Amino acid sequence: DAGVIQSPRHEVTEMGQEVTLRCKPISGHNSLFWYRQTMMRGLELLIYFNNNVPIDDSGMPEDRFSAKMPNASFSTLKIQPSEPRDSAVYFCASRPGQGAWEQYFGPGTRLTVT
Amino acid sequence: AQSVTQPDIHITVSEGASLELRCNYSYGATPYLFWYVQSPGQGLQLLLKYFSGDTLVQGIKGFEAEFKRSQSSFNLRKPSVHWSDAAEYFCAVGYNNDMRFGAGTRLTVKP
Repeated sequence: DAGVIQSPRHEVTEMGQEVTLRCKPISGHNSLFWYRQTMMRGLELLIYFNNNVPIDDSGMPEDRFSAKMPNASFSTLKIQPSEPRDSAVYFCASRPGQGAWEQYFGPGTRLTVT
Repeated sequence: AQSVTQPDIHITVSEGASLELRCNYSYGATPYLFWYVQSPGQGLQLLLKYFSGDTLVQGIKGFEAEFKRSQSSFNLRKPSVHWSDAAEYFCAVGYNNDMRFGAGTRLTVKP
């Protein structure tokens, strides 16, 4: 199995631009999580999906952030408009399903907003 | 309030020395417990997990962890550290369909 795949691995953009991060979970996993990691705040859960349905988006910082999971094999996290304080590493993780707690992480997308 | 605490932000050990990383949790019942490792520029990799049963669990890369209910702790140990173990280590707790990560402990290994 290829594991969780994220793209791009690095993204540099200017303030005000739209940014889209992509994630492909492990095949057969039915829960997907988006995290943000910064030096100041550590690892923060932004949103998670069960069976493509958003369950908890209380960690999404602002309306500028949105996430979708149109099918079981793809999810996006969009920031529009982006701001310098959004600079962070964004991780996607997937989990096999109910009763299986361990999450499997992708390599992350390092976002820099100038 | 529910929480996961890793008291040590940074630990330095000599190569070949033993290691113990601390993790304490505050939950109403015994949660599911995990340790993850993050190497520079990488995602988090699962080292080991505890759900129930034997309180001493073995993981990958020679790591083990012991669950102590009386102390609400799940400390990670390794008898002999290798230079490649230098990384950030995260304790995580799963409870009630929620999962929380500690702030992490950065491990430096001296030659």
